[in-house]
Amino acid sequence: QSVLTQPPSVSAAPGQKVTISCSGSSSNIGNNYVSWYQQLPGTAPKLLIYDNNKRPSGIPDGFSGSKSGTSATLGITGLQTGDEADYYCGTWDSSLSVWVFGGGTKLTVL
Amino acid sequence: QVTLKESGPALVKPTQTLTLTCTFSGFSLSTSAMRVSWIRQPPGKALEWLARIDWDDDKFYSTSLKTRLTISKDTSNTQVVLTMTNMDPVDTATYYCARLNYGLWYYFDYWGQGTLVTVSS
Repeated sequence: QSVLTQPPSVSAAPGQKVTISCSGSSSNIGNNYVSWYQQLPGTAPKLLIYDNNKRPSGIPDGFSGSKSGTSATLGITGLQTGDEADYYCGTWDSSLSVWVFGGGTKLTVL
Repeated sequence: QVTLKESGPALVKPTQTLTLTCTFSGFSLSTSAMRVSWIRQPPGKALEWLARIDWDDDKFYSTSLKTRLTISKDTSNTQVVLTMTNMDPVDTATYYCARLNYGLWYYFDYWGQGTLVTVSS
């Protein structure tokens, strides 16, 4: 049982937009910043978004992040089949002094 | 260029102790604000954070696993070692090490490729 809650799966057609939610509490998302990771099949996770909405160098601007209260959202526009992956949210829980991940969301591009 | 690589046994027996090493380059754990974590992922399941060690030797552990885990860094400050005692088949997973960076808050910016550990007699 993950501390952060994500939908198990989302799907959309190529070229469309999809959002993935991540719900937590005041000790993690509510008072801190969220990062998002993409895990392509058979590979290690890769940083997509940090500090809620910042993209590392090399991440396309089709990926975006936002946060409101105790929830965060990852947005992906202009979907491609290459975006099919598992997506994880995470943050450092400042009350528990542990890192917490969401359960992951599998994105299918139909 | 930052790289991390995990190494250790691919197979351990139940009740044995697992020792994994993360060897990294492009940064040093002697540098202020550098941190490294271990994360694992059972086959087909979600990521699970295990432990963190900081440049000043501060250490943090998963609440559910802390009695079994020990994280340490070597004197060269380019390796981090994780030991996990009393291994069980449910500990079968790919184990990753990752650098924990800090902007406005913490995030993992570089990950190793992972090493699959199978627990079986």
